[in-house]
Amino acid sequence: KQEVTQIPAALSVPEGENLVLNCSFTDSAIYNLQWFRQDPGKGLTSLLLIQSSQREQTSGRLNASLDKSSGRSTLYIAASQPGDSATYLCAVRSYNTDKLIFGTGTRLQVFP
Amino acid sequence: ETGVTQTPRHLVMGMTNKKSLKCEQHLGHNAMYWYKQSAKKPLELMFVYNFKEQTENNSVPSRFSPECPNSSHLFLHLHTLQPEDSALYLCASSQEATGWDLHFGDGTRLSIL
Repeated sequence: KQEVTQIPAALSVPEGENLVLNCSFTDSAIYNLQWFRQDPGKGLTSLLLIQSSQREQTSGRLNASLDKSSGRSTLYIAASQPGDSATYLCAVRSYNTDKLIFGTGTRLQVFP
Repeated sequence: ETGVTQTPRHLVMGMTNKKSLKCEQHLGHNAMYWYKQSAKKPLELMFVYNFKEQTENNSVPSRFSPECPNSSHLFLHLHTLQPEDSALYLCASSQEATGWDLHFGDGTRLSIL
């Protein structure tokens, strides 16, 4: 059974720092991995999608990497800003179930 | 309006009440989903509809009853809920039922007294 874990559960950093959010999954047989952002009281917004054949994807200050063999992904946020404050969720789509399995998220706070 | 719209945004109900959650998508998608998000738990997929037909029910208790009259509208009818059903209920849509490109609504925050 696929399980997705995100560490840390919460993170508070000063503005301007570069930071890394971690995601690990137990079954490496995946189609793809997605990173989502969720603002308080809002739904999820897709940030980056990495196909299983890819190593990384970039969008602006965000860079997501995927190491399928070790069951890990990282989301790198460069020069963090207060507007980056949100919960970041990782989700994988497994071959076995073709379902999107979510982690519990990392709650990020960037203070001025 | 664009995107996925959910109403109401907040709902407080007693265990014996009957209420319904509504979701509407203006994206021309064919598939719609209900997810449950509880505190400190991963998102749980509840139901999937593709072209108005239910294609997935993830062992959801019968006190939750979905309805999809057309590809743009999705309802979740609630009856005799339990306190542990308090959660954020998120609706999503995608072009195909594979769910490769999910667009989420802002959810309904449900509290059961």
